[in-house]
Amino acid sequence: AQTVTQSQPEMSVQEAETVTLSCTYDTSESDYYLFWYKQPPSRQMILVIRQEAYKQQNATENRFSVNFQKAAKSFSLKISDSQLGDAAMYFCAYRSGGTSYGKLTFGQGTILTVHP
Amino acid sequence: ETGVTQSPTHLIKTRGQQVTLRCSSQSGHNTVSWYQQALGQGPQFIFQYYREEENGRGNFPPRFSGLQFPNYSSELNVNALELDDSALYLCASSPVAGVSQETQYFGPGTRLLVL
Repeated sequence: AQTVTQSQPEMSVQEAETVTLSCTYDTSESDYYLFWYKQPPSRQMILVIRQEAYKQQNATENRFSVNFQKAAKSFSLKISDSQLGDAAMYFCAYRSGGTSYGKLTFGQGTILTVHP
Repeated sequence: ETGVTQSPTHLIKTRGQQVTLRCSSQSGHNTVSWYQQALGQGPQFIFQYYREEENGRGNFPPRFSGLQFPNYSSELNVNALELDDSALYLCASSPVAGVSQETQYFGPGTRLLVL
């Protein structure tokens, strides 16, 4: 079974600074997808960024980018120019590829605080 | 906003009762998944429905059951409620086959409290 580990229960960053959230996963599969979701206090889970395992290029979405290290099974999220609205719980998630059946396996989450 | 809606937003039940939670998928999505999220934890997969059939199940007992309707709306039913069932229940839908088929879009959740 796949597992996802987020080793940082809490992180903080100053507004306009950069922060990196860590995620590692364990799998024997070669085809899979990785995601970062954001869950603000309003509790709606919002997709931040996704990465296909077969792509070597790291995904980027505006201020959000990932560092995907497939051999090390590491998938970190970098938030640049942090904003107050970035404050939330961040979850890393794994999905097997190659099938219409796709449960997400989540990590424990990292609470991000942004200081003005 | 993802276009996925859930009702009700909050619910209080007593141990032993039954509850039904509802989800309306985003237009064009034919797959729905349900997750249970305990306070301060990551969501845990309950089950997934694809074209009205259960398409996978997590480590949850049979008293957790579901339905998906032709319009792709969905229900999660929990019988014989236990105190540990208190959690946020999230519904997520995925598009029909295409580039983003593997991406799940979440609703705002239903907070269930069992007393």
